[in-house]
Order: sequence, then C-alpha cells, then structure tokens
Amino acid sequence: QVQLQQSGPGLVKPSETLSLNCTVSAGSISSYYWSWIRQPPGKGLEWIGYIFSGGSTNYNPSLKGRVTMSIHTSKNRFSLRLSSMTAADTAVYYCAGTKTVTYMDVWGKGTTVIVSS
Amino acid sequence: EIVLTQFPDFQSVTPKEKVTITCRASQSIGSSLHWYQQKPDQSPKLLIKYASQSFSGVPSRFSGSGSGTDFTLTINSLEAEDAATYYCHQSSSLPHTFGQGTKLEIK
Repeated sequence: QVQLQQSGPGLVKPSETLSLNCTVSAGSISSYYWSWIRQPPGKGLEWIGYIFSGGSTNYNPSLKGRVTMSIHTSKNRFSLRLSSMTAADTAVYYCAGTKTVTYMDVWGKGTTVIVSS
Repeated sequence: EIVLTQFPDFQSVTPKEKVTITCRASQSIGSSLHWYQQKPDQSPKLLIKYASQSFSGVPSRFSGSGSGTDFTLTINSLEAEDAATYYCHQSSSLPHTFGQGTKLEIK
C-alpha cells in the first residue's frame, strides 16, 4: 500500500509563498493522480487541485492562479506551491492520491500551516 | 461549482443505533459521490466510493446509496469508534467539492 510522507514549514509570513512536499513510499509515483486538500481550523475540507504523474494539472479556480503543483518522478515526490499567502490560508494541508481522478484512497497525515508575521 | 449539502450537521447517537447521513448535490452528479470519515487530529479515510461501493477494509456496517442528486451514508449498529465527522465528496465536475461535514457524537 502506497504511503505519503509530508514535509514543509509550519509557519509562513503574509505575502510569502508556501512550499509543501509529499514523498511517495511503498509504491511508484507513476500512474497516479496526486491531490492537495486543505482544512482551515474547525472547518471542512477544500480541494486545492491535482497533478497527474504525467504532469497535467487541474486547480481550484477559487485560489485565483496562486497555485502551482509539480512532480519529481526521480525523487518519487510531488509538490505544492501557494503564493501570496494570507491569514485565510491558515489550514491543515493534506496530500492524497488515487489511481483514478475521482476518490482519494491514500492520504498523508497533514501539515499544519499558520500564516503569521 | 457543484455544492454539496449534508444533513444533519450534527447528530448525537447511542451505540447499536442505525445512523443515516444525507448528501444532496446542487445538480446531478451520477454516481461520482464518495464518503470519508475523519476522526479528530487524523486525516480523512475513504469509506465508500462511487456512491455505494465499499472501500477495501471498511467494516460492513457502513453502506452507501443514491444517484443523481441525493445520496445516503448508512451506519448500521453504530459503535463507539464511529465517533467522527463524515464528509461527502463529488468528482463529477471540476472543481471537486466536499460537503460541509456531519459530526457524529456517541452518547
């Protein structure tokens, strides 16, 4: 069973760019759709977008062009960048994966990101 | 964007009770509806895919039904470990969206 290990800073300053990584273990990064989802404190889940192992992407328009996802096949890793961070971006960020572009059956443990100066 | 609305937002239930959670979509999504369970300080876990297909390893007391705009997650004979927040998720169209969640409290 594929496992996901998340890494990245827990604190980001306003206006800066968040960078998070998700490393795939016990399996290959190929032929999967890799997603990012976030959850503000005490709130529900928000889909940020996904990247296919081949590199194609789809992002949530609500994030207004601030999102970039990338994949590093040789490192079995995929990444999220979210620019122009504000307090509204404070959330737990999850990476997740699936072999179809539908449900998500494997999840990382989440990274708590706080936006504060 | 497709809006998913769950009913109820919160439910307090006793062990062995049968629980039904509803998810209603703002437009037809076929069977592209999935259910997740999230316990406090944990990541969500997939329970049901494509409205009614149980995910591997999920206890048989969890079941799903529905198509189009109305969907149901049923938990038969609730157990204490089922205390969690449950979310529906649609993948019919982009952007993917989630329901607001239903929190189950065990009395």
